[in-house]
Amino acid sequence: DGGITQSPKYLFRKEGQNVTLSCEQNLNHDAMYWYRQDPGQGLRLIYYSQIVNDFQKGDIAEGYSVSREKKESFPLTVTSAQKNPTAFYLCASSTRSRNARSSYNEQFFGPGTRLTVL
Amino acid sequence: GQQLNQSPQSMFIQEGEDVSMNCTSSSIFNTWLWYKQDPGEGPVLLIALYKAGELTSNGRLTAQFGITRKDSFLNISASIPSDVGIYFCARGGADGLTFGKGTHLIIQP
Repeated sequence: DGGITQSPKYLFRKEGQNVTLSCEQNLNHDAMYWYRQDPGQGLRLIYYSQIVNDFQKGDIAEGYSVSREKKESFPLTVTSAQKNPTAFYLCASSTRSRNARSSYNEQFFGPGTRLTVL
Repeated sequence: GQQLNQSPQSMFIQEGEDVSMNCTSSSIFNTWLWYKQDPGEGPVLLIALYKAGELTSNGRLTAQFGITRKDSFLNISASIPSDVGIYFCARGGADGLTFGKGTHLIIQP
């Protein structure tokens, strides 16, 4: 089956600990994205990557870090510097746009990881 | 950053009723997207709009890209229980999506 997997579905951590969320895709997509969703809110972009070994900050990158060493994988680390880490985290992927400014290719979302920091 | 104003925030309707929701922006968009999210899941794309004035249907769903390129609406006809969920409008772009806050659709049998 082709798709995006995120694991685990639920994650609990103590305050002050870093935690890494997994995102894997076998759709052969170049671009991958991380979003955060809070109750009653839309999704907000944390980081995105258009190609291996390159990534860009989104609207709310502070307190987060990413890596893109492989095309299939885009892990997100929630660091202790993130003030309100409890949220629903969604990963997405798409084919790469020719025009990075305005072109849109459909993004496919994973099932999400619900992170709770105690 | 760009902001999308989506309304209504929630809707309580009877099964079989038609539904209408809309999104407005202060900026011109090149692509309008409508997603549906079921509880605890990732959003799924319903309809993508690429041209001002474009009207596109997907089964019982119809969406339009406003002529001014600053608004869009989504209609659902003859609602059924599985239509329950949160509907988001979004701006499309290679640098990620910008989402509205969503319309929570609740259907009473």
